[in-house]
Amino acid sequence: NAGVMQNPRHLVRRRGQEARLRCSPMKGHSHVYWYRQLPEEGLKFMVYLQKENIIDESGMPKERFSAEFPKEGPSILRIQQVVRGDSAAYFCASSPRQGDGYEQYFGPGTRLTVT
Amino acid sequence: GENVEQHPSTLSVQEGDSAVIKCTYSDSASNYFPWYKQELGKRPQLIIDIRSNVGEKKDQRIAVTLNKTAKHFSLHITETQPEDSAVYFCAASNNAGNMLTFGGGTRLMVKP
Repeated sequence: NAGVMQNPRHLVRRRGQEARLRCSPMKGHSHVYWYRQLPEEGLKFMVYLQKENIIDESGMPKERFSAEFPKEGPSILRIQQVVRGDSAAYFCASSPRQGDGYEQYFGPGTRLTVT
Repeated sequence: GENVEQHPSTLSVQEGDSAVIKCTYSDSASNYFPWYKQELGKRPQLIIDIRSNVGEKKDQRIAVTLNKTAKHFSLHITETQPEDSAVYFCAASNNAGNMLTFGGGTRLMVKP
């Protein structure tokens, strides 16, 4: 059973470009969470999605950031018009179902560098 | 919303000694508390978790305790080894179980 997959592992973008980060959950998992980790800091929740639905986006910046989890294919975190402050590691996690106490398993992360 | 504080931010111990990392949380409705270990450049890995219906849980050299009244929980690592060196994060789950709120992390260094 493959783990959570993320690609690309490293992404370099110039200011103003778009970044697309992909996450494929573990087989059988239909819940995806995105977290951002700034250098030397903890992980901050961004968004929680189920297939075709955004459940909680309270951690997402109001502008430039969007996320989706279509019926087919991976979850996508999209950052438009990137700025240097967007440089961070972006991790996704998946879990098998909703509810208290269900483990979240993390992918290897995408390290975004904005030049 | 939930707020999780973690101490200390760095911890240096001699191989074989014990290490204790402490976290406090603010939301009394939180009832799931996982701990993650993150090595440099790697993904966070779940090492142990505890739910609010128990006060202590052990898994070989690691244990976690939870005090719901005081709203704090702790990670205990005994007989530390150099390979335990990493950043450790505590987290708390909100009452819907939708997201994890993480502490700021503890960098543990085990000196051989």
